Amino acid sequence: KQEVTQIPAALSVPEGENLVLNCSFTDSAIYNLQWFRQDPGKGLTSLLLIQSSQREQTSGRLNASLDKSSGRSTLYIAASQPGDSATYLCAVSRGGGNKLTFGTGTQLKVEL
Amino acid sequence: DTAVSQTPKYLVTQMGNDKSIKCEQNLGHDTMYWYKQDSKKFLKIMFSYNNKELIINETVPNRFSPKSPDKAHLNLHINSLELGDSAVYFCASSQGGTSGRRYNEQFFGPGTRLTVL
Repeated sequence: KQEVTQIPAALSVPEGENLVLNCSFTDSAIYNLQWFRQDPGKGLTSLLLIQSSQREQTSGRLNASLDKSSGRSTLYIAASQPGDSATYLCAVSRGGGNKLTFGTGTQLKVEL
Repeated sequence: DTAVSQTPKYLVTQMGNDKSIKCEQNLGHDTMYWYKQDSKKFLKIMFSYNNKELIINETVPNRFSPKSPDKAHLNLHINSLELGDSAVYFCASSQGGTSGRRYNEQFFGPGTRLTVL
C-alpha cells in the first residue's frame, strides 16, 4: 500500500528566503508525481507534474525534482513571497485508473 | 472560463437525508474523480470514471453512488447521510491517453463542504 509523507508539516519563513519542501513515498512504482497548493477554504491548484521518466520540472520560481528509486521528491521555491503562503500537497499516481495518493501536506507561511 | 465546477459549494443537512453533489468539467477530459478531504485535511480517492465507466471504487460505503451521464459530468449521490460523512468533497478531471506533456495531470474543482447535523 502506497504511503506518502511530507516533511515538515509546517514551515514559517521570512519573505525572500529560498525553501525546500520534501515528499517521500513508499512504493517507487509510480506513474507520475504532482505538486499542488491549497489555499484555505479553496480547491487544489496544480503546480507541477513530473512523469516517472523525468527528473525535474520547472515553472517560474518553482522547481520540482523526482528521485523515483529512492522514493523522494522535493519542491524548491525561490525568493518566497507572502502570496506563496498555502498548504502544499504532493500526490503520486499509479497506472490503472490514475489514482492519486496524497501526502499529509506542508503548511507554509511566508512572513513580511 | 471555469474548468471544473461543483455545486453546491456548501451543503448543510440532517442525518438520514439523501443529497447530491454535481460536478462538471469543460476541459474535454475523459476521466473524472471524486476525492474526500476529512477534518484533518487528508485527501483520499473515492471514485474514478473514464468515459462514463467506473474504474476505481475505493472501499466507499454503498450509500455513495456516483453517476456519470456523460464524460463531462460526474455527480455524487449520498443516501442516509451520517455524521461521519461531514467533509469537503472534491471533484477532479484529467485527460487520459498518451498525448501531451502534462499527461494525466489532474485538475480540481473548488470543493463542496458537506456538514451533517
